[in-house]
Amino acid sequence: SQTIHQWPATLVQPVGSPLSLECTVEGTSNPNLYWYRQAAGRGLQLLFYSVGIGQISSEVPQNLSASRPQDRQFILSSKKLLLSDSGFYLCASAGGGETQYFGPGTRLLVL
Amino acid sequence: GENVEQHPSTLSVQEGDSAVIKCTYSDSASNYFPWYKQELGKRPQLIIDIRSNVGEKKDQRIAVTLNKTAKHFSLHITETQPEDSAVYFCAASRSGGYNKLIFGAGTRLAVHP
Repeated sequence: SQTIHQWPATLVQPVGSPLSLECTVEGTSNPNLYWYRQAAGRGLQLLFYSVGIGQISSEVPQNLSASRPQDRQFILSSKKLLLSDSGFYLCASAGGGETQYFGPGTRLLVL
Repeated sequence: GENVEQHPSTLSVQEGDSAVIKCTYSDSASNYFPWYKQELGKRPQLIIDIRSNVGEKKDQRIAVTLNKTAKHFSLHITETQPEDSAVYFCAASRSGGYNKLIFGAGTRLAVHP
């Protein structure tokens, strides 16, 4: 079974600072990978998905970007954070099928 | 594109009662319907899923039913326990769509002892 790691677990950043969140997956090869954001008390918003190395699709226009430099590594970045970027960021992996499993998440607070 | 609506947004039951959460979807090509449970501060966890070639699936106290004609599916929890208290999300996806899940807005279930 696959294991998904995310770091950091929590992050407090000032407005205008850069961001880099990392997700790595073990136990599967060539998974589809996804980044979601969840605002406090809200639902899950799909931000990006990737079906392979270097292949990124964006779902929502915003100041975030994603990259997949290796098969089981997915990175979420920003050059300048906004207050509205605060939230719970979840990486998900679907290895060999439809079922998505979520990582433990990164809680981001932008001040 | 696909749209998933989920009702109710909050649900309060007494321990031992049943709970039912309903979702409707708009894309008739959707063929995979998972349910996730999210406890406070934790990641969503898959609790059950159903594919469009099946009308009902059970796993101990939880069951999911699917009505393809009406484009709705439901989660049933029997003999609820306080540890069932959480937010539940339904979702839908279709083959060939990169398995993108479209989520409902969530249902906050509270089970009172």
